[in-house]
Amino acid sequence: AQKITQTQPGMFVQEKEAVTLDCTYDTSDQSYGLFWYKQPSSGEMIFLIYQGSYDEQNATEGRYSLNFQKARKSANLVISASQLGDSAMYFCAMRVNTGFQKLVFGTGTRLLVSP
Amino acid sequence: EPEVTQTPSHQVTQMGQEVILRCVPISNHLYFYWYRQILGQKVEFLVSFYNNEISEKSEIFDDQFSVERPDGSNFTLKIRSTKLEDSAMYFCASSEGWQGNTEAFFGQGTRLTVV
Repeated sequence: AQKITQTQPGMFVQEKEAVTLDCTYDTSDQSYGLFWYKQPSSGEMIFLIYQGSYDEQNATEGRYSLNFQKARKSANLVISASQLGDSAMYFCAMRVNTGFQKLVFGTGTRLLVSP
Repeated sequence: EPEVTQTPSHQVTQMGQEVILRCVPISNHLYFYWYRQILGQKVEFLVSFYNNEISEKSEIFDDQFSVERPDGSNFTLKIRSTKLEDSAMYFCASSEGWQGNTEAFFGQGTRLTVV
């Protein structure tokens, strides 16, 4: 069975600083995808970044980068130059590419960016 | 930018009543999903739908739940006889495919409150 673990229920960061949100995963499959979603207080789920299990380079999308360490089964999200608007819940999720299309989510990390 | 649209944004219903949650996925997407998030908890997969049939469902998705694509644009989730524990945010999502970096786009959610 697939599992995502996010051990940080809450994180605080000052504006303009970088922050790392941790995510570890467990799967016996060789082919999988890892996603990060942002959920602001309004409730919608916003896709941020994707990393495939066979991707050799870490994914980057603007201020978001994914620190992918396959041997350690971790896929940490790094947000550089935090902004007040980054305050939200952040969910790590995994999809296993074996014909199942569901995402398995972690419990989330609430990030608070202070001025 | 195309988006997944859900209606209503908030629904209050009495225990035992039937509810239908509606979703309009992105028009060229082929895979559709429902997820739910009980307040303060993680997002949980309910069901995936492809080619007019359920491709996978979780143990949460029991006989009280059903999904339908009644026409070419809508995708609905029906709960036949609601229980208090069905109170949650329900997210519809759609994706173009299911492999690789194909991300699922989520709607803004319907908050269901069963009283």
